[in-house]
Amino acid sequence: QAVVTQEPSLTVSPGGTVTLTCGSSTGTVTSGLYPYWFQLRPGQAPRTLIYDTSNKHSWTPARFSGSLLGGKAALTLSGAQPEDEAEYYCLLSYGAAGPVFGGGTKLTVL
Amino acid sequence: QLHLQESGPGLVKPSETLSLTCTVSGDSITNHDYHWGWIRQPPGKGLEWIGSIYYGGNTYYNPSLKGRITILADASKNQFSLKVTSVTAADTAVYYCARVLGPTGPDFWGQGTLVTVSS
Repeated sequence: QAVVTQEPSLTVSPGGTVTLTCGSSTGTVTSGLYPYWFQLRPGQAPRTLIYDTSNKHSWTPARFSGSLLGGKAALTLSGAQPEDEAEYYCLLSYGAAGPVFGGGTKLTVL
Repeated sequence: QLHLQESGPGLVKPSETLSLTCTVSGDSITNHDYHWGWIRQPPGKGLEWIGSIYYGGNTYYNPSLKGRITILADASKNQFSLKVTSVTAADTAVYYCARVLGPTGPDFWGQGTLVTVSS
């Protein structure tokens, strides 16, 4: 099974910008792996922020955006807020081999 | 408004079967635009995709769990379910149900339910 890699932890200052990345052991991440991004906060249902690389749901704050960057999927947070402190997971879909989550990034806003 | 709610025992004994149900409101599990899936997160660890079902009958199971899991759908109750057999402590996790956009990923999640495997 493919391995999906994320930064274990990142820190961003309030109002700052940070980029989280999502890599694949199979090589370059393309739109064909349909990258997703999720936010997990304690005591809350997980929330899907980005689907299919860069598409947002109606509930996705405008400060979050998804892209492909340097052979990886990327989630960029511009103008970090205290409530953005959370764990973020990406998901890549490998067709018949199924979807695989990354190990998650713990984002601290400090 | 879409709502997914997991239900089932919070404590299961080793070697027994874990059974959970997800009740869906605000959408129909027969909606051809979506699959319906299960995901789990062991304490202190990351998310793991368990499997999914499409009401047309197709199921996908994580190969690492294949042989121990079964996902079924009941349109009359607008529910889908998960069974995991021969559980061990490694199956202790928060279990989430989710609506899945095509076969690619979840767009809406339940709150999750903690299942502990212990004697």
